[in-house]
Amino acid sequence: QVQLQESGPGLVKPSQTLSLTCTVSGGSISSGSYSWNWIRQPAGKGLEWIGRIYASGSTNYNPSLKSRVTISVDTSKNQFSLELISLTAADTAVYYCARDVGYPYGMDVWGQGTTVTVSS
Amino acid sequence: DIQMTQSPSSLSASVGDGVTITCRASQNINKYLNWYQQKPGKAPKLLIYGASSLQSGVPSRFSGSGSGTDFTLTISSLQPEDFATYSCQQTYNTPRTFGQGAKVEIK
Repeated sequence: QVQLQESGPGLVKPSQTLSLTCTVSGGSISSGSYSWNWIRQPAGKGLEWIGRIYASGSTNYNPSLKSRVTISVDTSKNQFSLELISLTAADTAVYYCARDVGYPYGMDVWGQGTTVTVSS
Repeated sequence: DIQMTQSPSSLSASVGDGVTITCRASQNINKYLNWYQQKPGKAPKLLIYGASSLQSGVPSRFSGSGSGTDFTLTISSLQPEDFATYSCQQTYNTPRTFGQGAKVEIK
């Protein structure tokens, strides 16, 4: 079955850029009409949707982060990536990638999450 | 953005109890509502999609209902593995938004 795995640095300095990659295994990122999503969760808080990308490259972002976020896809590597610039301590969170099947279905496959701490 | 508000934020219950969690949307979202279960240190798990459809593999003691702005997640008889945090999510539009979560604890 499809599995997702996040990778990237666990510690990033303030004002720097966070780059995370989600590797899809057990299936092709290009199959179906799935969207590939990034979600984050600060410690003890709720889930925040960051944005999504389709295999075509079409994207949607959360307006609260839109000026700082870029999501890209590399179908040849079966990966999609998140770039978040100008980091502050408020960006410290667990970052998840997830597959969304689309309405009426939901995000049915999630990565295990990766903890990102923004600190000098 | 559509605001999702859950209540209660936390509750204590015993094994075998029935539990209901509510989720209210700030505008009509028809049945564009999913429920997730999350255990400490783990990723969320999809339980219910389309407000009332059970995700494959999820026990039948979980059920969802509602449409428009008001939704409920019901666990008919709590099992030890059900103690977790439950979050609703609207998929009516972007940005996708989640409720703040409802933590179900052992009494």
